[in-house]
Amino acid sequence: DADVTQTPRNRITKTGKRIMLECSQTKGHDRMYWYRQDPGLGLRLIYYSFDVKDINKGEISDGYSVSRQAQAKFSLSLESAIPNQTALYFCATSIPGLAGGAGEQFFGPGTRLTVL
Amino acid sequence: GDSVTQMEGPVTLSEEAFLTINCTYTATGYPSLFWYVQYPGEGLQLLLKATKADDKGSNKGFEATYRKETTSFHLEKGSVQVSDSAVYFCALRDQGGSEKLVFGKGTKLTVNP
Repeated sequence: DADVTQTPRNRITKTGKRIMLECSQTKGHDRMYWYRQDPGLGLRLIYYSFDVKDINKGEISDGYSVSRQAQAKFSLSLESAIPNQTALYFCATSIPGLAGGAGEQFFGPGTRLTVL
Repeated sequence: GDSVTQMEGPVTLSEEAFLTINCTYTATGYPSLFWYVQYPGEGLQLLLKATKADDKGSNKGFEATYRKETTSFHLEKGSVQVSDSAVYFCALRDQGGSEKLVFGKGTKLTVNP
């Protein structure tokens, strides 16, 4: 079974609709992230959370909100979707890069969102 | 802020050719460096990593060496296979509060039989 899962895997919606993307992990990591991938732009950070009570904005948080329901669950919401939010969305988890560790992140399979 | 620049693609090679994908970074201090691979229709998988100068990360025949003097982390493989066709991302771990990954734009590799 995958350690980081995302639902749905694909979603088509209309402008103005509210959408929620969900992420669950079984890795036991405290840190969770939401990224957005656009062609030719790499991945950009939307929000991140270091624990259930800690939520932080990333570089492109406008138009998005998140909820950390439990250590294992981190949801991303688009309150009123617009076409330029059409993208591939990834959830990731990590442990701190302490004691010489690299602090690598582990990614889910992604959600492809299309806003018409 | 921190940034990563990697060579633009796409790159097309024949099977068994030598691969180099260049990656340079700008950062304060000495961040951890990574190569991730994204196969068609899939998420990102960690390919290799390095945490300090002169470290060599290696996996599945791929290698990259953390070069502090040139702020580079070039990806190499001596003999590519068709199954290596994918998009490759160079990344560094931000040393600020978020510890986010800062990614390059990705390089698409196609290997032909």
